[in-house]
Amino acid sequence: GQQLNQSPQSMFIQEGEDVSMNCTSSSIFNTWLWYKQDPGEGPVLLIALYKAGELTSNGRLTAQFGITRKDSFLNISASIPSDVGIYFCAGQLYSNYQLIWGAGTKLIIKP
Amino acid sequence: DAGVIQSPRHEVTEMGQEVTLRCKPISGHDYLFWYRQTMMRGLELLIYFNNNVPIDDSGMPEDRFSAKMPNASFSTLKIQPSEPRDSAVYFCASSPAESSYNEQFFGPGTRLTVL
Repeated sequence: GQQLNQSPQSMFIQEGEDVSMNCTSSSIFNTWLWYKQDPGEGPVLLIALYKAGELTSNGRLTAQFGITRKDSFLNISASIPSDVGIYFCAGQLYSNYQLIWGAGTKLIIKP
Repeated sequence: DAGVIQSPRHEVTEMGQEVTLRCKPISGHDYLFWYRQTMMRGLELLIYFNNNVPIDDSGMPEDRFSAKMPNASFSTLKIQPSEPRDSAVYFCASSPAESSYNEQFFGPGTRLTVL
C-alpha cells in the first residue's frame, strides 16, 4: 500500500532552536497537509499545500510542497515550549481522495 | 463554534463486551471519518461517510467492527465482541465538502482499553 516516510521520528531540541522535519513518498500527491497533535487531543491542521513548489507560512511555521510532488517539509523557527507534541504529515493522492498519514515526529524541548 | 464531539472520552471494558463509540461532526460537514491510533500502527483510517453513506470501509479490521451514520449529526462505531488488541484511541473527524475532505477536523478521541 501507499506509504509516507516521515523523519525524524523524534527530536530533542533547546528552546529557541529551529526545527525541520520532512516526509517523502514513492507516490505523487496532489495535496500535502501538516497536522499537530497535543497530548490527549486529536490532530489539528497547521498548514495545507496544494501546488508543487508552494511555500506557505503560518506564524513561525513554514511548509513546502516539493517540486517532484513526492515530498514536503515543515520548519519551525525559534521553538517555544508549546511547540511540543507530535507533528504528522498527510498526503492526498491523485488517484483517490484518501489521506495517507506519516508516522509522526515527536518534538520534545529540553528543559 | 463547537468542534467534533466524541463520547465517551475514556472507556474501559472487558474482553467480549460490546463497545459503542459516538461522534457528532461539525454542523454542515458532509464527510465523516473514523480513525484508530496506536503506537505500533499510527493513524489508521477505518471508514468514512459522505452525506451519511459509507463510502470506503476497507480499513475496518474485521467483522467485529461496524459503523453507522443514521443522520448528518451522529455516527457510531461499534465493536462486538471487543478484544484486548482493540485497545487504542479512536478518533472521529469531519470535513466540509468544498475541501474535498483534505482539511479534516478531529475530535478529542475516545481512549478504549479492553482488559
